[in-house]
Amino acid sequence: GEDVEQSLFLSVREGDSSVINCTYTDSSSTYLYWYKQEPGAGLQLLTYIFSNMDMKQDQRLTVLLNKKDKHLSLRIADTQTGDSAIYFCAVDNTNAGKSTFGDGTTLTVKP
Amino acid sequence: DAGITQSPRYKITETGRQVTLMCHQTWSHSYMFWYRQDLGHGLRLIYYSAAADITDKGEVPDGYVVSRSKTENFPLTLESATRSQTSVYFCASSDRPGQGADGYTFGSGTRLTVV
Repeated sequence: GEDVEQSLFLSVREGDSSVINCTYTDSSSTYLYWYKQEPGAGLQLLTYIFSNMDMKQDQRLTVLLNKKDKHLSLRIADTQTGDSAIYFCAVDNTNAGKSTFGDGTTLTVKP
Repeated sequence: DAGITQSPRYKITETGRQVTLMCHQTWSHSYMFWYRQDLGHGLRLIYYSAAADITDKGEVPDGYVVSRSKTENFPLTLESATRSQTSVYFCASSDRPGQGADGYTFGSGTRLTVV
């Protein structure tokens, strides 16, 4: 089945850029997502990218998709302490009717 | 308000007891999902449902039972709770998994402790 992998931890200084990476195995995925989970809360959809796009920008967030390498990344510009959270990459598996989630990357932003 | 509601928010139960976690959504989404979240394991899919009266196993279904008699409700039952089922449980819903930009909508979770 589909496999989605992320590094587990990332630590940055406030004001720096953060880049969270994700690799996946299913090349037929049509939608790829980033979710954010704050402490004690459920996951919230942060952004998505459609498979025919290379890049999507939404304010401080930039999503890059390299379909050849099956690599997805989320860049957060001017990272703030409020960005500290767990970020999950998720990839749609149309045939299975569900998404596959990575294990999440815990982002810590130091003042 | 529209959304997805899980209850209870916190639950402590004893080993061997039956416990039911509730999930209710007002979006009329076709698909509903149950995940458990444990440190070091990310999200693991327990069961999911494509529509009322249609359910399917996920990665870790053993020890759990689900039902979906109505589109809006998807309760998860632990038939005989074990300490290994101590976890945070998340319910999610989606209108068109794999076909839409909306992704999943998640509930706030139920933190279950089995003592």
